[in-house]
Amino acid sequence: AQSVTQPDIHITVSEGASLELRCNYSYGATPYLFWYVQSPGQGLQLLLKYFSGDTLVQGIKGFEAEFKRSQSSFNLRKPSVHWSDAAEYFCAVAPGYQKVTFGTGTKLQVIP
Amino acid sequence: NAGVTQTPKFRVLKTGQSMTLLCAQDMNHEYMYWYRQDPGMGLRLIHYSVGEGTTAKGEVPDGYNVSRLKKQNFLLGLESAAPSQTSVYFCASSYRDHIQYFGAGTRLSVL
Repeated sequence: AQSVTQPDIHITVSEGASLELRCNYSYGATPYLFWYVQSPGQGLQLLLKYFSGDTLVQGIKGFEAEFKRSQSSFNLRKPSVHWSDAAEYFCAVAPGYQKVTFGTGTKLQVIP
Repeated sequence: NAGVTQTPKFRVLKTGQSMTLLCAQDMNHEYMYWYRQDPGMGLRLIHYSVGEGTTAKGEVPDGYNVSRLKKQNFLLGLESAAPSQTSVYFCASSYRDHIQYFGAGTRLSVL
């Protein structure tokens, strides 16, 4: 069965600083990969996805993620964090057509 | 432009009571899902459906039942609520590409 690991439960960054959230997955082949964001009291919203092709994918709100097959990773990055980016971020994988597995999430705090 | 709508938004139950959570989507998605979200555990899949009239168990199905009688609706039932079912419940829908669209959630407390 596939699994997703987000090793950082909580991250604090200063506004304007760069951000990298880590995600590692365990699966035999290359799955579909996603990052979602959840603001307090809200449902999840898709930030970006990787299905195939270019391993650097761009998403909404200035986020990008890079798929590294050799490291089974799909880390999320943003060059300059804004206070409105404070939220919880979930990595997800889908090896087939039926089920998605979510990581346990990383809470991002942004300090002025 | 509703997307995925969950009702109710909040509910408090006593142990042993039953209730049904309703999820409705207007995007003509084939797939629908019910998740529960608990602190530190991410989202865990309860049940899902790949089409009208079909349902399947997810990671944590015990104590829940579901039905998908119409393509746009996916119901989650708790027959005899337990305190362990206190959680935030999310419904989502997607095409086969797995890009999921989420509802705003239902916050359930079981006393």
